[in-house]
Amino acid sequence: ILNVEQSPQSLHVQEGDSTNFTCSFPSSNFYALHWYRWETAKSPEALFVMTLNGDEKKKGRISATLNTKEGYSYLYIKGSQPEDSATYLCVPNAGNNRKLIWGLGTSLAVNP
Amino acid sequence: KAGVTQTPRYLIKTRGQQVTLSCSPISGHRSVSWYQQTPGQGLQFLFEYFSETQRNKGNFPGRFSGRQFSNSRSEMNVSTLELGDSALYLCASSLGTGDSTDTQYFGPGTRLTVL
Repeated sequence: ILNVEQSPQSLHVQEGDSTNFTCSFPSSNFYALHWYRWETAKSPEALFVMTLNGDEKKKGRISATLNTKEGYSYLYIKGSQPEDSATYLCVPNAGNNRKLIWGLGTSLAVNP
Repeated sequence: KAGVTQTPRYLIKTRGQQVTLSCSPISGHRSVSWYQQTPGQGLQFLFEYFSETQRNKGNFPGRFSGRQFSNSRSEMNVSTLELGDSALYLCASSLGTGDSTDTQYFGPGTRLTVL
């Protein structure tokens, strides 16, 4: 069974703090990694999709890196704002049947 | 471009009843996937439809079924409802290329409560 692990499970930071989360996934049969942001009472929103080892993506204050050889990805948020409060989901596409693997994500709360 | 829409947004049913949920994908998207989310669980994949055919299926009992129409709109049906079926049901659409980078775009979900 393929699993994705994200840490920490939850995080509380102050407005202006920079923060980062870790996503670990099986490195064998890896095809792509998607990051989603899911705000309470809204739909999951796609942030990035990455495929290549060493990939880096950036969207505003949010960036992500990918290491496919060791099976991890980092998501960074620079200068967190209250509107960044959400659950951040790392979703690898991996395995023999090439399915998306959904975990529980990291829940971020940014206090004003 | 309009996003993914789902109807109804909220639904209350009693055990034993059946329910049909509807999803309209983004224009041009041919794949629709359905997910169930219950408290403390990650998204659980139900099934994916592409060109009116079920292309992938998760590990749910046969009470959960779906279909897709020629305009890519999809419906999901749950028969003989159980209390454990209470959940948020999300639908996601994508181009359906089959490529691992094909990004899914989610609807607002239908909150089903089974009493």
